[in-house]
Amino acid sequence: GEDVEQSLFLSVREGDSSVINCTYTDSSSTYLYWYKQEPGAGLQLLTYIFSNMDMKQDQRLTVLLNKKDKHLSLRIADTQTGDSAIYFCAESIGGSQGNLIFGKGTKLSVKP
Amino acid sequence: NAGVTQTPKFRVLKTGQSMTLLCAQDMNHEYMYWYRQDPGMGLRLIHYSVGEGTTAKGEVPDGYNVSRLKKQNFLLGLESAAPSQTSVYFCAANRTPNEQFFGPGTRLTVL
Repeated sequence: GEDVEQSLFLSVREGDSSVINCTYTDSSSTYLYWYKQEPGAGLQLLTYIFSNMDMKQDQRLTVLLNKKDKHLSLRIADTQTGDSAIYFCAESIGGSQGNLIFGKGTKLSVKP
Repeated sequence: NAGVTQTPKFRVLKTGQSMTLLCAQDMNHEYMYWYRQDPGMGLRLIHYSVGEGTTAKGEVPDGYNVSRLKKQNFLLGLESAAPSQTSVYFCAANRTPNEQFFGPGTRLTVL
């Protein structure tokens, strides 16, 4: 079945760039997503990319999609302590219903 | 505009008890979803609805039932709770499939 994989932890220093990587299996995914979850909170949609795009930039966030390798990455420029959270990659499946398959999440720790 | 709200925020049940989790949205969205989140597991889809009066099974539907009698509400029921259903439950809603808005979650413990 479909699967989304991410590394579990990433630690960076404040001001550095963070790169969170994700691989997925469903080549028919229409959209790929990045969500952020802070402790005790729900998931917040950060950004998403349509499968026919290679890159999307939104302020400090850059999403890169390599469809051939089924690899998605999220780069956070000038990482701040407020960026510390768990980041989930997700792929859309199931046609128009919007069903998502989530990765297990990458816990980003930002050290001052 | 509260977005997606969930009731209750916390609940402790004994094995075999029943309960209903309520998800409400004020965005007039067609699509609504129930997920569970377990440590180290990411989110898994339990059931979803593509409109009022419709429901469908997701990845892990066993032990749960849902209803969508009104467009703004999506109810998740546990008829006979089991310890394996201890989890954090998230509801989501979206108008189009590519933007899901999540509620704050319900933390359920089954003893």
